[in-house]
Amino acid sequence: AQSVTQPDIHITVSEGASLELRCNYSYGATPYLFWYVQSPGQGLQLLLKYFSGDTLVQGIKGFEAEFKRSQSSFNLRKPSVHWSDAAEYFCAVGAQDGANNLFFGTGTRLTVIP
Amino acid sequence: ETGVTQSPTHLIKTRGQQVTLRCSSQSGHNTVSWYQQALGQGPQFIFQYYREEENGRGNFPPRFSGLQFPNYSSELNVNALELDDSALYLCAISRNSGGGTDTQYFGPGTRLTVL
Repeated sequence: AQSVTQPDIHITVSEGASLELRCNYSYGATPYLFWYVQSPGQGLQLLLKYFSGDTLVQGIKGFEAEFKRSQSSFNLRKPSVHWSDAAEYFCAVGAQDGANNLFFGTGTRLTVIP
Repeated sequence: ETGVTQSPTHLIKTRGQQVTLRCSSQSGHNTVSWYQQALGQGPQFIFQYYREEENGRGNFPPRFSGLQFPNYSSELNVNALELDDSALYLCAISRNSGGGTDTQYFGPGTRLTVL
């Protein structure tokens, strides 16, 4: 069965600093991987996704993520954080065959301090 | 632009009541999934509809049911509401291409409070 672990419940960074949010997944085959962002009281916005090919994927708002099969990880990175990046970030895994649903981690809340 | 909309935005019900939540989009995405997001948690998959039929279900009891209409809009119905049903309910649209999980685009959600 699929599962996702986001080890960091809450991260605080200074504006302009770099950011890395961790995501580890459990899945029997090569998964589809996603990062979503959620602002307070809002729905989820897709930041980026990995289906196949280049393991370093670029997303919106200057975010990128790297798929590492050997570590079962899909960490999200941004070189310079902006105050508007403060939000909740969710990593999700989907199956490459069969069911078309997503399994989400519990999220990482990002606080940005000036 | 997928333009996923959900209604109502907020809803307050009491235990034992029934509720219907709605989801629609401007695009031709043929698959609708519903998720429940409890406070402080990630979304949990309830079920998915494709071609007006249920196409997968998570670990939710039968009092959670749904419909998909020919225009791909969808409803989520919950009977006999319980306090633990209080959550943000999210719908997501995607295209079922038969090749596994496609990208899902989420609506803003409906916040349900059960008293």
